[in-house]
Amino acid sequence: DIQMTQSPSTLSASVGDRVTVTCRASQSISSWLAWYQQKPGKAPKLLIYKASSLQNGVPSRFSGSGSGTEFTLTISSLQPDDFATYYCQQYNSYSVTFGPGTKVDIK
Amino acid sequence: QVQLQESGPGLVKPSQTLSLTCTVSGGSINSGGYYWSWIRQHPGRGLEWIGHIYYSGNTYHNPSLKSRVTISVDTSKNQFFLKLTSVTAADTAVYYCARVVVMVSPTGDGMDVWGQGTTVTVSS
Repeated sequence: DIQMTQSPSTLSASVGDRVTVTCRASQSISSWLAWYQQKPGKAPKLLIYKASSLQNGVPSRFSGSGSGTEFTLTISSLQPDDFATYYCQQYNSYSVTFGPGTKVDIK
Repeated sequence: QVQLQESGPGLVKPSQTLSLTCTVSGGSINSGGYYWSWIRQHPGRGLEWIGHIYYSGNTYHNPSLKSRVTISVDTSKNQFFLKLTSVTAADTAVYYCARVVVMVSPTGDGMDVWGQGTTVTVSS
């Protein structure tokens, strides 16, 4: 199985900050990585697929990069609506695993 | 737009079978170009993929759950289903169904539509 790790597990930031979340895979997954945002009591929302492709309707302040085993999600200017937990997900072959999540909270 | 809705018992006894239904509205489950997936989230924890199904019936499962999981589809009812056998307290979770969109990868590129989730508690 491909294992996913994320860092940091919690990130405290202020509105307007540039925020970066890192996701690492235990083996190469090429660019088969998605990012999700989840708010308490709600289902996750797809932000990014294929490592860097922005899902329709997602604000352009969100961006993704990376390939192989290391990936990043960047929020260029944190907005009040962005305080949430972020998960990466690999979809190499027909197996799917999620990272443990990064909670972005208010500093 | 496509919407998904999970349904099923909220309480299941240990050793019994958990059965959930996901009803798809606003689109056809057999239109192609999508997989249909089950994911769960243990209380206060992260997301765990359970498995995917294609409208043709091809299924893919999390290896750690594979022996207990059955995912099936009824295209005439626009529904897909999850059965999880021999449940224990460790299966207590919020269960989500989701649509996996095939944009670039032939195995799907992420889950773009989700149900609201249904809480299942395993307890006697």
